[in-house]
Amino acid sequence: EAGVAQSPRYKIIEKRQSVAFWCNPISGHATLYWYQQILGQGPKLLIQFQNNGVVDDSQLPKDRFSAERLKGVDSTLKIQPAKLEDSAVYLCASSLGTSGTNEQFFGPGTRLTVL
Amino acid sequence: AQSVTQLDSQVPVFEEAPVELRCNYSSSVSVYLFWYVQYPNQGLQLLLKYLSGSTLVESINGFEAEFNKSQTSFHLRKPSVHISDTAEYFCAVSGGGADGLTFGKGTHLIIQP
Repeated sequence: EAGVAQSPRYKIIEKRQSVAFWCNPISGHATLYWYQQILGQGPKLLIQFQNNGVVDDSQLPKDRFSAERLKGVDSTLKIQPAKLEDSAVYLCASSLGTSGTNEQFFGPGTRLTVL
Repeated sequence: AQSVTQLDSQVPVFEEAPVELRCNYSSSVSVYLFWYVQYPNQGLQLLLKYLSGSTLVESINGFEAEFNKSQTSFHLRKPSVHISDTAEYFCAVSGGGADGLTFGKGTHLIIQP
């Protein structure tokens, strides 16, 4: 079974530029999550989708971050414009069910450096 | 709202020695507790979880964790560590329902030969 795929793996941009990350969850998984992991901290949930609907985006900085999940499968996370403090690893995860008790499967992450 | 505290950012231990990684949580609702592990150059993966029932849960590679409601803890233990256990360990909590995970800051387990 293929795991969660993310691209790109690394991205370096200058502040005020835009960037987009892509995630392909495990086939059949209803729930998709985007997390931000700043160096030295644990992952922080940014947004959670169930199929193609948003369940929780309370911690998403909506003035600069946006995300969508087209047709309830792939997802993209965009930052526009980027700030220095956005430097982090962006993790995508998916789970089969819709409950918070389900195991989440994580992708390898995209490491973003904002200069 | 939930929160997780992992007090130890690094835990060095000699190979074959026992280890305990501490995790405390706070929550105003029922909690479901998880330990995730991140091996070098790999993604996060589930190590074990407590949902209900027996308060002692085990993983397939010898780790165990005990849910202690009175102390709001979910410490991870292993009686004898191996060099392959070197990794970052994250404790996480969910309130169930449609909640996502709230993670602690992680503990880096360093195994010394």
